[in-house]
Amino acid sequence: DGGITQSPKYLFRKEGQNVTLSCEQNLNHDAMYWYRQDPGQGLRLIYYSQIVNDFQKGDIAEGYSVSREKKESFPLTVTSAQKNPTAFYLCAIRDRGTDTQYFGPGTRLTVL
Amino acid sequence: GDSVTQMEGPVTLSEEACLTINCTYTATGYPSLFWYVQYPGEGLQLLLKATKADDKGSNKGFEATYRKETTSFHLEKGSVQVSDSAVYFCALKWRDDKIIFGKGTRLHILP
Repeated sequence: DGGITQSPKYLFRKEGQNVTLSCEQNLNHDAMYWYRQDPGQGLRLIYYSQIVNDFQKGDIAEGYSVSREKKESFPLTVTSAQKNPTAFYLCAIRDRGTDTQYFGPGTRLTVL
Repeated sequence: GDSVTQMEGPVTLSEEACLTINCTYTATGYPSLFWYVQYPGEGLQLLLKATKADDKGSNKGFEATYRKETTSFHLEKGSVQVSDSAVYFCALKWRDDKIIFGKGTRLHILP
């Protein structure tokens, strides 16, 4: 969906460093999500937020943190506690009218 | 718990062949069902959806029918093109705000 941007598209970090992935939307939706995608494993939910200043853990929240200070922004921080951070990270929004999730283009994180 | 199972790939077909990618689900209730498509290096795009039994979702020549009696939502296309090469994800949404995804099926179409 063109209204969801993730930056950068590719990100490289050294082991032990925290890194923050950006997700911005200009669609005025309340609910936003972060997923992790690994080869052959589908998508797994990291965190989600249904409203500003509130968020919930998903299935694999350990080693990650988020904030939701503004409606249009939901940044994800991959901390040094995440044991295997190399993956493709996808941000999504939920369109309440159609009750459907739409995805951003993703950020591929490689930890060296 | 709720789950989605889809056929493992990769699936390799020749252009203009018929496609079926099987998807079955487990859920206590009446979930909404989705097919998403992912092209190389990109995010997921919604392909089609169905929200109740016997509904048929369709888009770009793809179809899937919500079959409650067999708990299935198989993806079909009568004549595939090289440009259909991608990874296809079946998914369901029920109860809370979360979506459960299958593991994805990679499709290769040969010219």
